[in-house]
Amino acid sequence: GDSVTQMEGPVTLSEEAFLTINCTYTATGYPSLFWYVQYPGEGLQLLLKATKADDKGSNKGFEATYRKETTSFHLEKGSVQVSDSAVYFCALISNTGGFKTIFGAGTRLFVKA
Amino acid sequence: KAGVTQTPRYLIKTRGQQVTLSCSPISGHRSVSWYQQTPGQGLQFLFEYFSETQRNKGNFPGRFSGRQFSNSRSEMNVSTLELGDSALYLCASSLETAGNSPLHFGNGTRLTVT
Repeated sequence: GDSVTQMEGPVTLSEEAFLTINCTYTATGYPSLFWYVQYPGEGLQLLLKATKADDKGSNKGFEATYRKETTSFHLEKGSVQVSDSAVYFCALISNTGGFKTIFGAGTRLFVKA
Repeated sequence: KAGVTQTPRYLIKTRGQQVTLSCSPISGHRSVSWYQQTPGQGLQFLFEYFSETQRNKGNFPGRFSGRQFSNSRSEMNVSTLELGDSALYLCASSLETAGNSPLHFGNGTRLTVT
């Protein structure tokens, strides 16, 4: 079935460091891809999305490019802040047996001042 | 615009009891999905409702059920609770059931089964 694999955490960075969180997927066809973020005590929030190959999603300094050839959707940010500390989830919408969003396991990010 | 509202925020139940969780979606959203989040299994899809019909179901036992009302509000019920049902239950709404509609999540209901 469709699935999402993302790098294990936690990832610990100093403020202003460069961030990459890897995400690869397995799916039938060309699903829409998403990054969600979860802050402590809250539900998930949509961070960015891309709906077709070579699309680049971006928001709040984060960006990710839909790479069909490598089935990847890596999340990047050039300079992280302490406030970026959260859990990041890569996700896709699967159309196997009806539409549903499938999530990766999540990657916890800690940013130190 | 109000976000997705889940009630209650916290619940403590004992094994064998049943529980009902409630979710009010964003106004105008007709699709409501439920997820179970645990440290070991991550986010697991429970089911999705659209216009009062269950459109999709995950791999959970029949003890987990849900419904959606005509105003799109949804409830999830778990009967004969087990210790392993302790989790954060997240509800999410979207504009439609489609291949590119993102989910809008509530803050969840944390269920503890003792």
